[in-house]
Amino acid sequence: QQQVKQSPQSLIVQKGGISIINCAYENTAFDYFPWYQQFPGKGPALLIAIRPDVSEKKEGRFTISFNKSAKQFSLHIMDSQPGDSATYFCAASYPYTPLVFGKGTRLSVIA
Amino acid sequence: NAGVTQTPKFQVLKTGQSMTLQCAQDMNHEYMSWYRQDPGMGLRLIHYSVGAGITDQGEVPNGYNVSRSTTEDFPLRLLSAAPSQTSVYFCASSPADTDTQYFGPGTRLTVL
Repeated sequence: QQQVKQSPQSLIVQKGGISIINCAYENTAFDYFPWYQQFPGKGPALLIAIRPDVSEKKEGRFTISFNKSAKQFSLHIMDSQPGDSATYFCAASYPYTPLVFGKGTRLSVIA
Repeated sequence: NAGVTQTPKFQVLKTGQSMTLQCAQDMNHEYMSWYRQDPGMGLRLIHYSVGAGITDQGEVPNGYNVSRSTTEDFPLRLLSAAPSQTSVYFCASSPADTDTQYFGPGTRLTVL
Protein backbone atom coordinates (compact mmCIF):
# COMPACT_ATOMS: atom_id res chain seq x y z
CA GLN A 1 0.00 0.00 0.00
CA GLN A 2 1.54 3.25 -1.13
CA GLN A 3 0.84 5.82 1.55
CA VAL A 4 2.19 8.83 -0.35
CA LYS A 5 1.48 9.18 -4.07
CA GLN A 6 3.63 11.63 -6.01
CA SER A 7 3.15 13.03 -9.50
CA PRO A 8 4.40 13.58 -12.11
CA GLN A 9 7.27 11.10 -12.44
CA SER A 10 9.21 13.56 -14.55
CA LEU A 11 8.86 17.23 -15.42
CA ILE A 12 10.52 19.51 -17.93
CA VAL A 13 10.22 23.26 -17.32
CA GLN A 14 11.62 26.25 -19.15
CA LYS A 15 14.03 28.50 -17.28
CA GLY A 16 12.03 31.14 -15.44
CA GLY A 17 8.89 29.03 -15.37
CA ILE A 18 6.99 27.52 -12.44
CA SER A 19 7.57 23.88 -11.48
CA ILE A 20 4.72 22.14 -9.66
CA ILE A 21 4.94 18.71 -8.06
CA ASN A 22 1.99 17.13 -6.29
CA CYS A 23 1.59 14.60 -3.52
CA ALA A 24 -1.44 12.91 -1.99
CA TYR A 25 -1.55 10.96 1.24
CA GLU A 26 -3.97 8.54 2.83
CA ASN A 27 -3.14 8.42 6.53
CA THR A 28 -4.86 11.28 8.37
CA ALA A 29 -2.48 10.77 11.31
CA PHE A 30 0.38 12.27 9.28
CA ASP A 31 1.41 15.62 10.74
CA TYR A 32 4.72 16.41 9.06
CA PHE A 33 5.19 16.87 5.32
CA PRO A 34 8.71 17.57 4.04
CA TRP A 35 10.15 17.87 0.56
CA TYR A 36 13.64 16.54 -0.13
CA GLN A 37 15.91 17.49 -3.02
CA GLN A 38 18.45 15.06 -4.44
CA PHE A 39 21.20 15.82 -6.94
CA PRO A 40 22.81 12.99 -8.94
CA GLY A 41 25.28 10.98 -6.88
CA LYS A 42 24.25 12.65 -3.63
CA GLY A 43 21.98 11.83 -0.73
CA PRO A 44 18.61 13.61 -0.38
CA ALA A 45 18.59 16.86 1.59
CA LEU A 46 15.68 18.61 3.27
CA LEU A 47 14.37 21.46 1.14
CA ILE A 48 11.26 22.67 2.95
CA ALA A 49 8.64 21.20 5.28
CA ILE A 50 5.15 22.01 6.55
CA ARG A 51 2.79 20.96 9.32
CA PRO A 52 -1.01 20.84 8.90
CA ASP A 53 -1.69 23.92 11.02
CA VAL A 54 -0.82 26.17 8.06
CA SER A 55 -1.93 26.06 4.44
CA GLU A 56 1.21 27.48 2.88
CA LYS A 57 4.89 27.91 3.65
CA LYS A 58 7.34 29.87 1.55
CA GLU A 59 11.12 29.86 1.60
CA GLY A 60 12.67 31.92 -1.15
CA ARG A 61 11.52 30.53 -4.51
CA PHE A 62 10.11 27.36 -2.93
CA THR A 63 6.54 27.14 -1.61
CA ILE A 64 4.56 24.28 -0.11
CA SER A 65 0.78 24.45 -0.48
CA PHE A 66 -1.18 22.18 1.86
CA ASN A 67 -4.83 21.12 1.55
CA LYS A 68 -5.82 19.13 4.61
CA SER A 69 -9.37 18.33 3.48
CA ALA A 70 -8.15 16.96 0.15
CA LYS A 71 -5.15 15.24 1.78
CA GLN A 72 -2.84 16.80 -0.76
CA PHE A 73 0.25 18.97 -0.71
CA SER A 74 2.38 20.40 -3.46
CA LEU A 75 5.76 21.99 -4.09
CA HIS A 76 5.97 25.09 -6.26
CA ILE A 77 9.31 26.31 -7.55
CA MET A 78 9.04 29.85 -8.86
CA ASP A 79 11.45 31.25 -11.46
CA SER A 80 12.90 27.77 -12.01
CA GLN A 81 16.61 27.67 -12.76
CA PRO A 82 18.85 25.02 -14.37
CA GLY A 83 20.45 24.56 -10.94
CA ASP A 84 17.07 23.34 -9.66
CA SER A 85 17.35 20.28 -11.92
CA ALA A 86 17.22 17.38 -9.47
CA THR A 87 14.95 14.66 -8.14
CA TYR A 88 12.36 15.82 -5.62
CA PHE A 89 10.72 13.58 -3.04
CA CYS A 90 7.71 14.34 -0.91
CA ALA A 91 7.33 12.51 2.38
CA ALA A 92 5.06 12.27 5.40
CA SER A 93 5.20 11.02 8.96
CA TYR A 94 3.42 11.14 12.28
CA PRO A 95 5.04 11.38 15.70
CA TYR A 96 7.79 8.89 16.50
CA THR A 97 7.52 7.11 13.15
CA PRO A 98 9.89 7.06 10.17
CA LEU A 99 9.24 9.11 7.05
CA VAL A 100 7.27 7.54 4.21
CA PHE A 101 8.50 8.81 0.84
CA GLY A 102 6.82 9.29 -2.50
CA LYS A 103 8.43 7.76 -5.58
CA GLY A 104 10.11 10.97 -6.66
CA THR A 105 9.91 13.47 -9.52
CA ARG A 106 12.83 14.11 -11.82
CA LEU A 107 12.84 17.82 -12.69
CA SER A 108 14.77 19.18 -15.66
CA VAL A 109 14.93 22.94 -16.13
CA ILE A 110 16.02 23.84 -19.63
CA ALA A 111 17.34 27.18 -20.85
CA ASN B 1 31.17 17.61 11.98
CA ALA B 2 31.45 15.02 9.24
CA GLY B 3 27.68 14.42 9.43
CA VAL B 4 26.55 11.01 8.18
CA THR B 5 29.28 8.91 6.57
CA GLN B 6 28.85 5.69 4.62
CA THR B 7 31.40 3.15 3.47
CA PRO B 8 32.07 1.79 0.96
CA LYS B 9 30.93 4.15 -1.78
CA PHE B 10 30.73 1.34 -4.35
CA GLN B 11 30.63 -2.45 -3.97
CA VAL B 12 30.23 -5.40 -6.31
CA LEU B 13 29.24 -8.76 -4.84
CA LYS B 14 28.54 -12.19 -6.20
CA THR B 15 25.27 -13.92 -5.40
CA GLY B 16 25.47 -15.59 -2.00
CA GLN B 17 28.25 -13.41 -0.60
CA SER B 18 27.76 -11.49 2.61
CA MET B 19 28.87 -8.01 3.50
CA THR B 20 28.28 -5.12 5.86
CA LEU B 21 27.49 -1.57 4.80
CA GLN B 22 28.83 0.87 7.35
CA CYS B 23 27.06 4.00 8.56
CA ALA B 24 28.29 6.43 11.19
CA GLN B 25 27.14 9.83 12.41
CA ASP B 26 28.89 12.30 14.70
CA MET B 27 25.89 14.47 15.56
CA ASN B 28 24.72 12.40 18.56
CA HIS B 29 21.40 11.70 16.81
CA GLU B 30 19.08 9.19 18.42
CA TYR B 31 17.29 8.05 15.26
CA MET B 32 19.00 6.24 12.41
CA SER B 33 17.53 4.58 9.33
CA TRP B 34 18.50 2.61 6.26
CA TYR B 35 16.77 3.15 2.91
CA ARG B 36 17.22 1.64 -0.51
CA GLN B 37 16.62 3.65 -3.66
CA ASP B 38 15.63 1.95 -6.88
CA PRO B 39 14.58 3.64 -10.16
CA GLY B 40 10.91 4.59 -10.04
CA MET B 41 10.49 3.22 -6.51
CA GLY B 42 11.56 6.17 -4.40
CA LEU B 43 13.17 5.62 -1.01
CA ARG B 44 12.02 2.53 0.80
CA LEU B 45 12.74 1.98 4.48
CA ILE B 46 14.67 -1.19 5.33
CA HIS B 47 15.32 -0.92 9.08
CA TYR B 48 15.43 1.85 11.62
CA SER B 49 16.56 2.50 15.18
CA VAL B 50 15.29 4.94 17.79
CA GLY B 51 18.34 4.52 19.99
CA ALA B 52 21.20 2.24 20.95
CA GLY B 53 19.98 -1.31 21.44
CA ILE B 54 16.62 -0.70 19.72
CA THR B 55 15.87 -1.60 16.11
CA ASP B 56 12.73 -2.21 14.09
CA GLN B 57 11.77 -3.34 10.61
CA GLY B 58 10.70 -1.04 7.85
CA GLU B 59 8.90 -1.70 4.57
CA VAL B 60 11.48 -4.02 2.95
CA PRO B 61 13.51 -5.78 5.71
CA ASN B 62 13.91 -9.25 4.18
CA GLY B 63 17.52 -10.23 3.53
CA TYR B 64 18.95 -7.53 5.77
CA ASN B 65 20.02 -7.42 9.41
CA VAL B 66 20.92 -4.47 11.61
CA SER B 67 22.19 -3.82 15.10
CA ARG B 68 22.79 -0.64 17.07
CA SER B 69 25.35 -1.11 19.82
CA THR B 70 26.37 2.56 19.92
CA THR B 71 24.65 5.87 19.19
CA GLU B 72 27.12 6.61 16.39
CA ASP B 73 27.05 3.44 14.30
CA PHE B 74 24.27 1.59 12.48
CA PRO B 75 25.66 -1.12 10.16
CA LEU B 76 23.49 -2.94 7.63
CA ARG B 77 24.32 -6.60 6.98
CA LEU B 78 23.47 -8.55 3.85
CA LEU B 79 23.59 -12.20 4.86
CA SER B 80 23.43 -13.80 1.41
CA ALA B 81 23.38 -11.26 -1.39
CA ALA B 82 20.87 -11.62 -4.21
CA PRO B 83 20.62 -9.72 -7.53
CA SER B 84 17.37 -8.16 -6.25
CA GLN B 85 19.47 -6.32 -3.66
CA THR B 86 21.27 -4.36 -6.36
CA SER B 87 20.44 -0.80 -5.34
CA VAL B 88 21.72 2.44 -3.87
CA TYR B 89 21.63 2.36 -0.09
CA PHE B 90 21.25 5.47 2.05
CA CYS B 91 21.71 5.84 5.76
CA ALA B 92 20.02 8.74 7.56
CA SER B 93 19.95 10.13 11.08
CA SER B 94 17.86 12.61 12.99
CA PRO B 95 17.73 14.02 16.50
CA ALA B 96 14.84 12.98 18.70
CA ASP B 97 13.44 16.50 18.97
CA THR B 98 13.04 17.21 15.22
CA ASP B 99 11.75 15.39 12.17
CA THR B 100 14.58 16.46 9.87
CA GLN B 101 16.56 13.53 8.50
CA TYR B 102 20.17 13.95 7.43
CA PHE B 103 21.25 11.55 4.71
CA GLY B 104 24.65 10.10 3.96
CA PRO B 105 26.15 10.07 0.45
CA GLY B 106 25.02 6.52 -0.30
CA THR B 107 26.53 3.15 -1.21
CA ARG B 108 25.97 1.81 -4.71
CA LEU B 109 25.76 -1.99 -4.51
CA THR B 110 25.73 -4.36 -7.47
CA VAL B 111 25.06 -8.06 -6.96
CA LEU B 112 26.00 -10.28 -9.90
